[in-house]
Amino acid sequence: GAVVSQHPSWVICKSGTSVKIECRSLDFQATTMFWYRQFPKQSLMLMATSNEGSKATYEQGVEKDKFLINHASLTLSTLTVTSAHPEDSSFYICSATEEYIQYFGAGTRLSVL
Amino acid sequence: QKEVEQNSGPLSVPEGAIASLNCTYSDRGSQSFFWYRQYSGKSPELIMFIYSNGDKEDGRFTAQLNKASQYVSLLIRDSQPSDSATYLCAATTGGFKTIFGAGTRLFVKA
Repeated sequence: GAVVSQHPSWVICKSGTSVKIECRSLDFQATTMFWYRQFPKQSLMLMATSNEGSKATYEQGVEKDKFLINHASLTLSTLTVTSAHPEDSSFYICSATEEYIQYFGAGTRLSVL
Repeated sequence: QKEVEQNSGPLSVPEGAIASLNCTYSDRGSQSFFWYRQYSGKSPELIMFIYSNGDKEDGRFTAQLNKASQYVSLLIRDSQPSDSATYLCAATTGGFKTIFGAGTRLFVKA
């Protein structure tokens, strides 16, 4: 299957700082990538759909100015959590689609102190 | 609202038994169906996908699809403790958007 790389796997930051998470499709081109958030013992929550060369589509209730998404190339999407606060601490997971199948990155655990 | 429904569980089966995981979907236009396994603290990994009515087998896993009943299932034969995880069912709608169920927790007792 296709491989999606996500970096970093774990990040700890101070409240008020910004954190960037990268998602790369390693062996295929992905015009569309997805960003999810998952709190402990809860289901995946789709945050936004990242489209190469255009603006991301955010799900209802997700602040686009707080969660900045950039899909600059066919293999890279980035999620920047701006001015992070403790309530943003969560598990962030990206995915990319190849032939209608979503493949997930390993996830990034964000802890905001 | 297009939905994918799963029993949250936990489903508990003894080692060596067959685990049966079920899923229903609301959008009759759904075309592709997927099962993912998610271990605690990890991201989902694809187990199987199915597009056509009937059964699809891959090793110890069998996916079953019944579009008339809008029902998808996953059978795990000879269940092992390492199969203990949350299993996510997903359906791709006619608009090519993938909807995930909340997942069923499976516990395989040694």
